[in-house]
Amino acid sequence: EVQLLESGGGLVQPGGSLRLSCAASGFTFFNYAMTWVRQAPGKGLEWVSSISGSAASTYYGDSVKGRFTISRDNSKNTMYLQMDSLRVEDTAVYYCAKELTGPYVLIDLDSWGQGTLVTVSS
Amino acid sequence: QSALTQPPSASGSPGQSVTISCTGSRSDVGGYNQVSWYQKHPGKAPKLMIYEVTKRPSGVPDRLSGSKSGNTASLTVSGLQAEDEADYYCISYAGSNSWMFGGGTKLTVL
Repeated sequence: EVQLLESGGGLVQPGGSLRLSCAASGFTFFNYAMTWVRQAPGKGLEWVSSISGSAASTYYGDSVKGRFTISRDNSKNTMYLQMDSLRVEDTAVYYCAKELTGPYVLIDLDSWGQGTLVTVSS
Repeated sequence: QSALTQPPSASGSPGQSVTISCTGSRSDVGGYNQVSWYQKHPGKAPKLMIYEVTKRPSGVPDRLSGSKSGNTASLTVSGLQAEDEADYYCISYAGSNSWMFGGGTKLTVL
């Protein structure tokens, strides 16, 4: 059974940093691209960032480009999201998700974690 | 980039059919066959319902179907059931290695 478990969320001040982790199990991790999606309170879903199975390719939404860095450690079956220069508008539940078909990013996400809440506030 | 346009709400009675639209442009929905639909219940993780415009992942009932015409993709839910009540989001590839969600549609089963 595929399991994705996010961790690392919490309260941080504007301008601060946080690193989210997504621990994966139940599938061959390096064979699948992975993605972070967020949902701000009362708002819709927003694509944040994606990474290919090999980590050779990374992609970012405009609102986080230059501030967030996605990475993965295939030896640890874990994906990360380093979030720097955090803003109040980054407050959201952050979900990690697995690609349906393989190592390339298509945003066809068939398995999701339960999410971790990031709150940016002074 | 603006979000893809979805109606804020849609509704239907049990057994009826409802179609939710997702309108973009030639730069996203109209330019690629990479439109997916997600169902989201409050407090739960999203669930993939349709990918590549028309394909259903295993386990998704054939009451759900996807289509596209020009710059508008659509999700049709036939034979509405109480458990279909949820928020639905489309997402499309928007070129230059970027993807864009729609604003979401709240589906109410009357």
